[in-house]
Amino acid sequence: DAGITQSPRYKITETGRQVTLMCHQTWSHSYMFWYRQDLGHGLRLIYYSAAADITDKGEVPDGYVVSRSKTENFPLTLESATRSQTSVYFCASSDLTDEQFFGPGTRLTVL
Amino acid sequence: TQLLEQSPQFLSIQEGENLTVYCNSSSVFSSLQWYRQEPGEGPVLLVTVVTGGEVKKLKRLTFQFGDARKDSSLHITAAQPGDTGLYLCAGAPYATDSWGKLQFGSGTQVVVTP
Repeated sequence: DAGITQSPRYKITETGRQVTLMCHQTWSHSYMFWYRQDLGHGLRLIYYSAAADITDKGEVPDGYVVSRSKTENFPLTLESATRSQTSVYFCASSDLTDEQFFGPGTRLTVL
Repeated sequence: TQLLEQSPQFLSIQEGENLTVYCNSSSVFSSLQWYRQEPGEGPVLLVTVVTGGEVKKLKRLTFQFGDARKDSSLHITAAQPGDTGLYLCAGAPYATDSWGKLQFGSGTQVVVTP
């Protein structure tokens, strides 16, 4: 299907475990982004990527790792999950305009 | 970090009433976007305003970008239950190394009851 998809949609994990959230887009957009959304904080940028193999930190990158070996995929890994990383995570993509297209989100709970 | 403050945080109105949501910053942005987010979904772009003083209308929604490019407002006329959602403003900074790194406000939750 065309668009931007995220998996899983829901994930429960335990403190200290590694978790990877997947993001896939079919538009061949150059830019991709990872945000977390928490009550009272709006959307905060974790990492972004301007192209395959080019990534950079956003506002809240600590505890997260990204990679982008292919244009269409942008996985986000929590190396050792903490309770403070309980959140809703959104992936987005963009072409050369400012408009960002968001995925449906992944609700992550860290126990 | 360029902070965007939205007000009010929550707004509950009856169908047919008007409402205004504000987005303010002490920083200047090259453009400002408004998104609407419904429960369980990602935000969806409503409009982008680029020029200081610009006013854009989308049916019953009116968006304005401040003359100084630091603030914006969203006005909904004769609100309908379908307007219910979380409204987010997002500013695009001028810095060339910040392309695409939108700064989001914390959002305004709008509830329109029949």
